[in-house]
Amino acid sequence: GNSVTQMEGPVTLSEEAFLTINCTYTATGYPSLFWYVQYPGEGLQLLLKATKADDKGSNKGFEATYRKETTSFHLEKGSVQVSDSAVYFCALSGSNDYKLSFGAGTTVTVRA
Amino acid sequence: EAQVTQNPRYLITVTGKKLTVTCSQNMNHEYMSWYRQDPGLGLRQIYYSMNVEVTDKGDVPEGYKVSRKEKRNFPLILESPSPNQTSLYFCASTQLAGHYNEQFFGPGTRLTVL
Repeated sequence: GNSVTQMEGPVTLSEEAFLTINCTYTATGYPSLFWYVQYPGEGLQLLLKATKADDKGSNKGFEATYRKETTSFHLEKGSVQVSDSAVYFCALSGSNDYKLSFGAGTTVTVRA
Repeated sequence: EAQVTQNPRYLITVTGKKLTVTCSQNMNHEYMSWYRQDPGLGLRQIYYSMNVEVTDKGDVPEGYKVSRKEKRNFPLILESPSPNQTSLYFCASTQLAGHYNEQFFGPGTRLTVL
């Protein structure tokens, strides 16, 4: 079945530091890949997505590229802010279903 | 405003006392689902529904029931809750159209079973 593995946290950074969260997946066919963000006390929000190989998703300064050859979808941001403190989930949905398979989540804390 | 709503947001109950968590969406989405979020496990799907009167098990359905009598509502029912069902629950919905299917999530229901 489909599965997602993302780097364990927690991750603590200083403001303006570079952030990368690794995500790899196992899936058959051509899944869609997502990064969701969960701010404290809130539900999940879609951060960015990519639906085919070599697509780059981007939003709010975050980027991730769908790499089929390495089955990866790493999340990056060049200069984090305190407001980026949240839990980040990598997820995929298979080409033939709508279920989202999630990674375990990575807690990111950005200190001023 | 397009949204998924859940009620209650917080619930503390005791073992064996039946409860229902409601979920409603106003986007006319066909597909709705329930997830539970546990530390270190991410979110796991409990049940899903492709349309009215069509429901099916997800990855962790034991101890849960659902119904889909109307398109907008998808309640989660715990007939006899147990402490291992203490978790954070999310309802989600999406359209059945195309390969890309962004899911919209509710704000979550934090359930504690004593």
